[in-house]
Amino acid sequence: SQTIHQWPATLVQPVGSPLSLECTVEGTSNPNLYWYRQAAGRGLQLLFYSVGIGQISSEVPQNLSASRPQDRQFILSSKKLLLSDSGFYLCAWSYGMNTEAFFGQGTRLTVV
Amino acid sequence: GIQVEQSPPDLILQEGANSTLRCNFSDSVNNLQWFHQNPWGQLINLFYIPSGTKQNGRLSATTVATERYSLLYISSSQTTDSGVYFCAVVRGAQKLVFGQGTRLTINP
Repeated sequence: SQTIHQWPATLVQPVGSPLSLECTVEGTSNPNLYWYRQAAGRGLQLLFYSVGIGQISSEVPQNLSASRPQDRQFILSSKKLLLSDSGFYLCAWSYGMNTEAFFGQGTRLTVV
Repeated sequence: GIQVEQSPPDLILQEGANSTLRCNFSDSVNNLQWFHQNPWGQLINLFYIPSGTKQNGRLSATTVATERYSLLYISSSQTTDSGVYFCAVVRGAQKLVFGQGTRLTINP
């Protein structure tokens, strides 16, 4: 069966520090991968999605970037965090647009 | 892009009551899912239902694709049903677009 792992679960980082959140999927190959952010407990906003290694689509201009160095690994990064980057970050995977998507447990990021 | 509207935004019920949550979308969709976000933030898959009706225990869902809406029914509510329920759709590009959610509170 397929599983998705996301870490860390919580993170407190100072303004201006770098960020790296990792997501990996097991039990499947060539999945679509997604990063979402949720602010204030409502409304998930799509940040990035990837349909293959090295293929990244960005949905909104921001202080973050994403990379997919391996088929089942998706990384969310920032060189310098802003206060506004605080939020709940969720990684997800699916086989494509006509299939069910599954989410990781999320990372709660607080920038101080 | 496609718009997804959920209603009501908040719902407070007593244990044992039934509830209906609605999701309207502005265009035809390839995919529709319902999720329950638990108090720890995890999104739990409830239904993958681009059309038709499905049931899973006390929960059921119906999507009428031609009229661009989906309904989630919860019968005999329990306190553990509390949380935020999200509807999300896919149209065209391979990405889920979420509604703003319905916050359900079940009081004992």
